[in-house]
Amino acid sequence: GENVEQHPSTLSVQEGDSAVIKCTYSDSASNYFPWYKQELGKRPQLIIDIRSNVGEKKDQRIAVTLNKTAKHFSLHITETQPEDSAVYFCAASMSNTGKLIFGQGTTLQVKP
Amino acid sequence: DAGVIQSPRHEVTEMGQEVTLRCKPISGHDYLFWYRQTMMRGLELLIYFNNNVPIDDSGMPEDRFSAKMPNASFSTLKIQPSEPRDSAVYFCASSTGTPDTQYFGPGTRLTVL
Repeated sequence: GENVEQHPSTLSVQEGDSAVIKCTYSDSASNYFPWYKQELGKRPQLIIDIRSNVGEKKDQRIAVTLNKTAKHFSLHITETQPEDSAVYFCAASMSNTGKLIFGQGTTLQVKP
Repeated sequence: DAGVIQSPRHEVTEMGQEVTLRCKPISGHDYLFWYRQTMMRGLELLIYFNNNVPIDDSGMPEDRFSAKMPNASFSTLKIQPSEPRDSAVYFCASSTGTPDTQYFGPGTRLTVL
């Protein structure tokens, strides 16, 4: 079945620096890759997503890149701020289903 | 729209008791998902429905867990009997299509003593 590996599990950066989180997936038929942010005690919320017909997508300080050949995708956060501190989850769709398989999460700490 | 609604937000019960979690998806969403989140196992999909029909329940841990969706605006997840290892946050999510953005509810924090 589909498997999603996410790295690193924890990431600490200084305010203003960039942060990169990487995920790999196993199902070559996956075609939808969302990223969720979960603050402590809150629900996961979508921050950006990308479909397999696109290689890169950007929304202000957040960008996602997708390499279908290598089966990996990455989240890039530039000019990090303390409010970016949270757990970030990547996910990949399973082919022909409504299921999302989530990575294990990355705890991002942005130090002021 | 109020978003996905879950109740109760917190539930504390004793081992052996029946627990029922409730979810109201966003109006117009055809897909409903039940997840469980723990530190050890992360975010796990338990079951999902399409147009009120269960499509995949392979994530349901054992027969103690059951889920229903009697209509498009209501779903329940039931644990009977509950055990301490069921303690977790249970999220409900809904979406309009597949694959597409899943919108999560606020979750139910379940503690089984």
